[in-house]
Amino acid sequence: GENVEQHPSTLSVQEGDSAVIKCTYSDSASNYFPWYKQELGKRPQLIIDIRSNVGEKKDQRIAVTLNKTAKHFSLHITETQPEDSAVYFCAASIGNSNYQLIWGAGTKLIIKP
Amino acid sequence: ETGVTQTPRHLVMGMTNKKSLKCEQHLGHNAMYWYKQSAKKPLELMFVYSLEERVENNSVPSRFSPECPNSSHLFLHLHTLQPEDSALYLCASSQATGDQPQHFGDGTRLSIL
Repeated sequence: GENVEQHPSTLSVQEGDSAVIKCTYSDSASNYFPWYKQELGKRPQLIIDIRSNVGEKKDQRIAVTLNKTAKHFSLHITETQPEDSAVYFCAASIGNSNYQLIWGAGTKLIIKP
Repeated sequence: ETGVTQTPRHLVMGMTNKKSLKCEQHLGHNAMYWYKQSAKKPLELMFVYSLEERVENNSVPSRFSPECPNSSHLFLHLHTLQPEDSALYLCASSQATGDQPQHFGDGTRLSIL
């Protein structure tokens, strides 16, 4: 079946440094790639998404890049702050289904003061 | 954000009990979802409803029974659950199914004794 692999599972960075989380997907027909942030005890919240007709999208300190040929996409967070500490999930739409997203297993991001 | 509300927040039940989880969305969305979230695992899609019709059922055991009486409400009826069903159950909604951002509730933390 289709799957999304997410790495690393845990990422620890110094406050102010950048963080990069990578996801690889298997379905070449996937066309929508959202990223969600889930703080401890809270709901997942969409932070940025990208569609397959775009290679990069940026929103302040957060950016997502997409490489369709290699079938991977990445989340970039610059100038990290303590409030960035959370679990981040990537997802990819399934090409032959209008209903589903396939989710990565999550990355726990720890910002060290 | 209170767009998607789930009740109860916590539920402890025995294996022979019957209980129901409730989800309500105030966003005017047409699609609603049930997910299971277990530690260190990807989000598992359980059910998808579009315009009150079930459109996806990912081989979920029959001890989980969904109900969508209207586009704003979604229930998950639980009966004769197993210890491995202990998890966080998340409800989400989106404008339509497929490549649309999903908005999550805070979830119900379910513990099976």
